[in-house]
Amino acid sequence: AQKITQTQPGMFVQEKEAVTLDCTYDTSDQSYGLFWYKQPSSGEMIFLIYQGSYDEQNATEGRYSLNFQKARKSANLVISASQLGDSAMYFCAMRDGGSYIPTFGRGTSLIVHP
Amino acid sequence: ETGVTQSPTHLIKTRGQQVTLRCSSQSGHNTVSWYQQALGQGPQFIFQYYREEENGRGNFPPRFSGLQFPNYSSELNVNALELDDSALYLCASSFGVRGHDRYEQYFGPGTRLTVT
Repeated sequence: AQKITQTQPGMFVQEKEAVTLDCTYDTSDQSYGLFWYKQPSSGEMIFLIYQGSYDEQNATEGRYSLNFQKARKSANLVISASQLGDSAMYFCAMRDGGSYIPTFGRGTSLIVHP
Repeated sequence: ETGVTQSPTHLIKTRGQQVTLRCSSQSGHNTVSWYQQALGQGPQFIFQYYREEENGRGNFPPRFSGLQFPNYSSELNVNALELDDSALYLCASSFGVRGHDRYEQYFGPGTRLTVT
């Protein structure tokens, strides 16, 4: 069974600083995909970044990068140069290669201070 | 290109009643997934529809049912509502189901259901 753990219920960061949101996962599959989503107070889940288990390089999408450590089963999201609009809930999710069903963590609330 | 839309935005129902939630998928997408997100939790997968057929189901009872129409829009029906059904219901559309590792789901803004 898949499991996603996000141990930080809430994080605070100063505007323009970088922040790391933690995510660890548990799976016995060799092929899987890891996702990060942002959920502002409006409720919509916004896709941020994807990492495949066989990808050799860490994924990057603009200010977002995923620090993928396969041996440690961690997939931390790094947001560089935080902006006030980054304040939201952030969810880590995993889907194994043969499944269409992602499993989500409980999320981390990020607040960016001016 | 229009995004995923859901209606209604908010809904209040009484225990025992039935509710229908609606979702219009993003243009070009043929797959719709439904999720339940309770307060303080991540989304939980309810079921998925691919080309009008149910393509998988999470751990939800049969009183949760759905439909997908030829235009790929979808409905989620919940019968005999219980207090624990109070949640944000999210719809997500995508193209294809499997065989594409990176397939991205595009979520709608959700319907917030309150059962009293």
